[in-house]
Amino acid sequence: GAGVSQSPSNKVTEKGKDVELRCDPISGHTALYWYRQSLGQGLEFLIYFQGNSAPDKSGLPSDRFSAERTGGSVSTLTIQRTQQEDSAVYLCASSLMRGEVAQYFGPGTRLTVL
Amino acid sequence: TQLLEQSPQFLSIQEGENLTVYCNSSSVFSSLQWYRQEPGEGPVLLVTVVTGGEVKKLKRLTFQFGDARKDSSLHITAAQTGDTGLYLCAGVQGGKLIFGQGTELSVKP
Repeated sequence: GAGVSQSPSNKVTEKGKDVELRCDPISGHTALYWYRQSLGQGLEFLIYFQGNSAPDKSGLPSDRFSAERTGGSVSTLTIQRTQQEDSAVYLCASSLMRGEVAQYFGPGTRLTVL
Repeated sequence: TQLLEQSPQFLSIQEGENLTVYCNSSSVFSSLQWYRQEPGEGPVLLVTVVTGGEVKKLKRLTFQFGDARKDSSLHITAAQTGDTGLYLCAGVQGGKLIFGQGTELSVKP
């Protein structure tokens, strides 16, 4: 596809359940990022992948959050035992490489934990 | 602690007015980016400023990077209803983007 795609667009879950969010980056982009955005707020960095290097997990808020990137392309963000404070929009972005280059964002997944 | 402070957080103006959004930090950034985000969509890059004191213009939008590369401003001339959205500044530091909390702009006809 031409841009970054994310699925699902909306996810409603019950507290305590696990959820998986998917990101398909732009073809050829080696860098992939996950962010969290609470209502009307800026973006909070979660995790970053660059090629085959070990991911930068420094932004993950707890060990309930994890992410993987298979084959250097598709990425999945998993949240285990979801809490109400996990409710937010989860945005994925990709770029040609890390650093001072444009990041291209997907439309996000809106997660609501009841 | 917010590394990048944006102000104002909310701005509601009439079409045709001018406005300025500020992005301030005590930290130095190698470059700074401005994004615009509409509801239900991801942010879209507007501009990247790299050199201290740099000024870039994008139609009615003027972006400036502070001399010390710690702050930036976005000025919109003769705002239009289509300018409505969330404006985000993001500083590049150590290869990561550090985002401000955003400025929600509403331009009324």
